[in-house]
Amino acid sequence: DTAVSQTPKYLVTQMGNDKSIKCEQNLGHDTMYWYKQDSKKFLKIMFSYNNKELIINETVPNRFSPKSPDKAHLNLHINSLELGDSAVYFCASSQGLASSYEQYFGPGTRLTVT
Amino acid sequence: AQSVAQPEDQVNVAEGNPLTVKCTYSVSGNPYLFWYVQYPNRGLQFLLKYITGDNLVKGSYGFEAEFNKSQTSFHLKKPSALVSDSALYFCAGVRSGGYNKLIFGAGTRLAVHP
Repeated sequence: DTAVSQTPKYLVTQMGNDKSIKCEQNLGHDTMYWYKQDSKKFLKIMFSYNNKELIINETVPNRFSPKSPDKAHLNLHINSLELGDSAVYFCASSQGLASSYEQYFGPGTRLTVT
Repeated sequence: AQSVAQPEDQVNVAEGNPLTVKCTYSVSGNPYLFWYVQYPNRGLQFLLKYITGDNLVKGSYGFEAEFNKSQTSFHLKKPSALVSDSALYFCAGVRSGGYNKLIFGAGTRLAVHP
């Protein structure tokens, strides 16, 4: 069984378009995250939600809007895509908000903006 | 500012030899520290964590790490490397008592040669 899944795995689109990435976890976790991994493999947190409530919102352009319809899902919508948005986006989840909990990552979505 | 450093971009080791992947941290208060591994085109997998207690932490796949407060280090080790250990390794830290906002190092590529 897949613990944290993301769709799509690959996304190729043109500048200016709007796209969404979906994430689901079947671990029963309360907390979910979005990370961006750039071309140099550097990982940075973008958002985290706990029980559908936004907890962490890093300095991310407001073209990025996360949505959590329930605690098992956290989707990422990106408006007006730019070349610099090209990256691999990872969803993750953890049992709770406490910093002692390890995070479980999805397989990633490779976004290419042309 | 809080940070995690992995001073080596790449570590090369022969199969059967011991391996060490270095990590140092600058995290306020009592840090929680983690190691994750990323195989090509995959998400990150949790290996081990230090929360409190014994400074030597054992994790998955025969890996272990030693927390050294005086040197602010958390090096990953394995007594005998396997070719299948070849991957990208990330050290991450977070301040205890805060939200689970992991700060990742830049990653170290481990190459184990037959």
